[in-house]
Amino acid sequence: DQQVKQNSPSLSVQEGRISILNCDYTNSMFDYFLWYKKYPAEGPTFLISISSIKDKNEDGRFTVFLNKSAKHLSLHIVPSQPGDSAVYFCAASGKTSGSRLTFGEGTQLTVNP
Amino acid sequence: NAGVTQTPKFQVLKTGQSMTLQCAQDMNHEYMSWYRQDPGMGLRLIHYSVGAGITDQGEVPNGYNVSRSTTEDFPLRLLSAAPSQTSVYFCASSYRQRDEKLFFGSGTQLSVL
Repeated sequence: DQQVKQNSPSLSVQEGRISILNCDYTNSMFDYFLWYKKYPAEGPTFLISISSIKDKNEDGRFTVFLNKSAKHLSLHIVPSQPGDSAVYFCAASGKTSGSRLTFGEGTQLTVNP
Repeated sequence: NAGVTQTPKFQVLKTGQSMTLQCAQDMNHEYMSWYRQDPGMGLRLIHYSVGAGITDQGEVPNGYNVSRSTTEDFPLRLLSAAPSQTSVYFCASSYRQRDEKLFFGSGTQLSVL
């Protein structure tokens, strides 16, 4: 039972354009959502997060949007840069799970120069 | 500042062999965990620890043992390796149990033949 799902295994965009990565979840107890970025041969690194009391959080070129009614979140990267090419994991936690994150399958983003 | 250190980076085992994946963090984090990453399945939680002497099972604990005798170290033991345990293993830590911003090690690529 995949509680956090990223339906697009890969995404390719041109440098300077917007990248939109999507994530859906099924567990209504999730109240905190995160995006991690992973380069080859490295561990994932925290990118941005959002609490369920908000619908948007912005950090520089990265914005995460949360639609609680649809159980959907998205990560927008504007403008996209070649260095953004990586695997992006969506993750979620609930009031009782804390650091025990549930991860999605990941989306490979490729930004072409 | 080393962060989370995992050893070895690569390991090949034969079915039935045992081994220990090492994980150490120097950030005085309370919470430590082990994840495995498999293609198309994201990261799945194996075991976690909320402090020295306290461990618990995650989503996929079968075939693995852990212990936490010190705050810094959280080794993962495979008692009798099976081909299904071929995966990339990541150790992660966070300051406290409710802190979702995990710091990951660089991973151990394990192949079981």
